[in-house]
Amino acid sequence: DAGVIQSPRHEVTEMGQEVTLRCKPISGHNSLFWYRQTMMRGLELLIYFNNNVPIDDSGMPEDRFSAKMPNASFSTLKIQPSEPRDSAVYFCASSSHSGNTIYFGEGSWLTVV
Amino acid sequence: GEDVEQSLFLSVREGDSSVINCTYTDSSSTYLYWYKQEPGAGLQLLTYIFSNMDMKQDQRLTVLLNKKDKHLSLRIADTQTGDSAIYFCAERRGSARQLTFGSGTQLTVLP
Repeated sequence: DAGVIQSPRHEVTEMGQEVTLRCKPISGHNSLFWYRQTMMRGLELLIYFNNNVPIDDSGMPEDRFSAKMPNASFSTLKIQPSEPRDSAVYFCASSSHSGNTIYFGEGSWLTVV
Repeated sequence: GEDVEQSLFLSVREGDSSVINCTYTDSSSTYLYWYKQEPGAGLQLLTYIFSNMDMKQDQRLTVLLNKKDKHLSLRIADTQTGDSAIYFCAERRGSARQLTFGSGTQLTVLP
């Protein structure tokens, strides 16, 4: 199994630009999570999907952030416009129906200058 | 992760045992997890324990759960330099599918 695949692994962008992060969950998993990791706030849940439907987006910081899951094998997290305080590591994770184990991708390391 | 607390740092000598502690506050937690994060890498699931268990062992790793005190620990036997990483405790509450993480414990293994 290839695990959770995220792209890009690293991105440096200028303030005001649009950023799109991508995630391919483990095949057969029906829950997908987006987390953000920063030094100040640690690991925070942004949003999670179950069967492609957003269930809890209360962690999404503001309207500049949006997430979609058009099908079971793909999700995007978009930031528009990006700001320096969005600099963080963004992790995607997935789990199966039983939900006992949640597997993380390698993360997308975002720097907004 | 203010509801899941961990000490920030732990240093041990190579070959010694490491014990990383975690406390949580939600009595409805059903599963508790330990993840490992090496520099520049993602979170690797090490092990997890169901809340009706009090111990789980997996090779060098032993998880102890004291549900009464809401205390979880991870013991790493014969700690090696490759075990140097940040270790995160996480809880899954009730029927929720997402995890709530602690702040992580930086384990440093000294030669």
